[in-house]
Amino acid sequence: GAVVSQHPSRVICKSGTSVKIECRSLDFQATTMFWYRQFPKKSLMLMATSNEGSKATYEQGVEKDKFLINHASLTLSTLTVTSAHPEDSSFYICSARDTSGDTGELFFGEGSRLTVL
Amino acid sequence: GQNIDQPTEMTATEGAIVQINCTYQTSGFNGLFWYQQHAGEAPTFLSYNVLDGLEEKGRFSSFLSRSKGYSYLLLKELQMKDSASYLCAPWDSNYQLIWGAGTKLIIKP
Repeated sequence: GAVVSQHPSRVICKSGTSVKIECRSLDFQATTMFWYRQFPKKSLMLMATSNEGSKATYEQGVEKDKFLINHASLTLSTLTVTSAHPEDSSFYICSARDTSGDTGELFFGEGSRLTVL
Repeated sequence: GQNIDQPTEMTATEGAIVQINCTYQTSGFNGLFWYQQHAGEAPTFLSYNVLDGLEEKGRFSSFLSRSKGYSYLLLKELQMKDSASYLCAPWDSNYQLIWGAGTKLIIKP
């Protein structure tokens, strides 16, 4: 079945640095990808919808300048956490929609755990 | 390896009760989530279980048995809007979510 891969799965960085997380659809093209954030024992929180070739649509309360999203190709979206702070430590998950079918089914990546020291 | 097993599809009648089972094998365990996903939409959180037993939340209940690697989602008083996919997702020892393929629930009048 369809596979979505995220990289890195775990990253530790110093406060003030930037971290890039990649989300790739491995065997299908995805015009739309979603980025989520999840705190321990909490539900997924949709951060933004990433559209290939255009600007991402951010959910209310999500800082666009802090969480930069780039969807430059049909198989790759990136999330860059800029000037990371300890409160940005979280679990980030992406999902991608297989637009070749009519179901609009979403496939999820494995997630990336960010720890900011 | 890590594995999630859910039925691919289930059909139930409006007003009835349905139980969606999930068995899992993970490297460590830090709880299990159930999500609902309507076609073409982002998933929405339904429940989180970390201890054995039943968690009730309105029409939805979720059960967990850690020793058996088993969970189920119970939906009561089914409504047409409950037609969706239901995703079982345990957390492994590294807090990686292990996603199942989901169960497509079809509600018939």
